[in-house]
Amino acid sequence: DTAVSQTPKYLVTQMGNDKSIKCEQNLGHDTMYWYKQDSKKFLKIMFSYNNKELIINETVPNRFSPKSPDKAHLNLHINSLELGDSAVYFCASSQGLGVYQPQHFGDGTRLSIL
Amino acid sequence: AQKITQTQPGMFVQEKEAVTLDCTYDTSDQSYGLFWYKQPSSGEMIFLIYQGSYDEQNATEGRYSLNFQKARKSANLVISASQLGDSAMYFCAMRERPSKAGGTSYGKLTFGQGTILTVHP
Repeated sequence: DTAVSQTPKYLVTQMGNDKSIKCEQNLGHDTMYWYKQDSKKFLKIMFSYNNKELIINETVPNRFSPKSPDKAHLNLHINSLELGDSAVYFCASSQGLGVYQPQHFGDGTRLSIL
Repeated sequence: AQKITQTQPGMFVQEKEAVTLDCTYDTSDQSYGLFWYKQPSSGEMIFLIYQGSYDEQNATEGRYSLNFQKARKSANLVISASQLGDSAMYFCAMRERPSKAGGTSYGKLTFGQGTILTVHP
């Protein structure tokens, strides 16, 4: 009965490859997010979808493309992986955009580029 | 300017004692939310507690309480009766309204740098 689940948990791949991370939430939330946590543990928003509509697109290279097939799913596809993409990627969800709504996170996907 | 500042890179506490983790924030909004998350060494992000800017009472959730001082723009996390399992990284975060239509702050959480808490037996 995991609330926000991401797959895979670990992803080890070579530079130049294309990879995807999947995220699903069963909380009935209508808003989902992708965050990146760097090697210094700093967390930063990448994208957000509200009712399948992209509403936040921070300064992220075009190689990163999110897709939300429905409100419960938000996937992240990364083209031409680079060494600097190594990080932990977190999916999160919330009910709406209200400032008082907490975001619930998945367990993270640790991406390592060789 | 940093939106969220956690000035303690690391904190140590004896088991069963209370500890306060500091967090200050910067916003010109009247309506905002403040959140604390725990990240154990296993890596997941666990939501602990939140405080709304209009809430007059400090938030409490079990052993966690939030010492909210609006005039000082601080939202410190207090953990009472520390347990060994409390050893983790703790993040303070803020959620603001969009500053204007189409503003990129729409709904995102802005995080502090984190504080590593170590509980000693």
